[in-house]
Amino acid sequence: DGGITQSPKYLFRKEGQNVTLSCEQNLNHDAMYWYRQDPGQGLRLIYYSQIVNDFQKGDIAEGYSVSREKKESFPLTVTSAQKNPTAFYLCASSISRTSGGEQFFGPGTRLTVL
Amino acid sequence: AQSVAQPEDQVNVAEGNPLTVKCTYSVSGNPYLFWYVQYPNRGLQFLLKYITGDNLVKGSYGFEAEFNKSQTSFHLKKPSALVSDSALYFCAVRDPTWDMRFGAGTRLTVKP
Repeated sequence: DGGITQSPKYLFRKEGQNVTLSCEQNLNHDAMYWYRQDPGQGLRLIYYSQIVNDFQKGDIAEGYSVSREKKESFPLTVTSAQKNPTAFYLCASSISRTSGGEQFFGPGTRLTVL
Repeated sequence: AQSVAQPEDQVNVAEGNPLTVKCTYSVSGNPYLFWYVQYPNRGLQFLLKYITGDNLVKGSYGFEAEFNKSQTSFHLKKPSALVSDSALYFCAVRDPTWDMRFGAGTRLTVKP
């Protein structure tokens, strides 16, 4: 059963804490992405990775960090420097970044800062 | 700047009637256009895409979209709406740097 998994589904963070969101795919896709979704704003790109050990900043990378040590995994860390982290976070993957094909999305993680 | 606009925040349709969710785009070069659907607290599901070829694209769940280059539009359509079609719909375009640009979304409500 191929797809993208994200965990946890819900995450609560206290002020000043770093938290890490998990994203795993078994689609053998080279490219992976992290988006942030806020009500009425669509999706905004945080980071993307085209290949293992490579990643690039998107439009709103400040306060976030990522790693890509394995093809299947692209975890996102929300650091204490992110001033307004409460949002719905979506991970996606595609065959490659430049293929023009669609992206496949995970089920999302809802992060709430207490 | 490359962008996508979904001019309607909300679309209401009666079950069995045709539905249209509008999308216009602004991108240099040939556009790669996509429609996705999102159900509450879920990820986005791919519906259909236009890369090249026939201007009428057929997708999942009976949806189709018409690419109109002169009007820079890519409206999503379905001949007969179902209550289960109620969801949030996103139009997206690949920009020349290959980033995906999403519209703000249109909430479709189909009433029985």
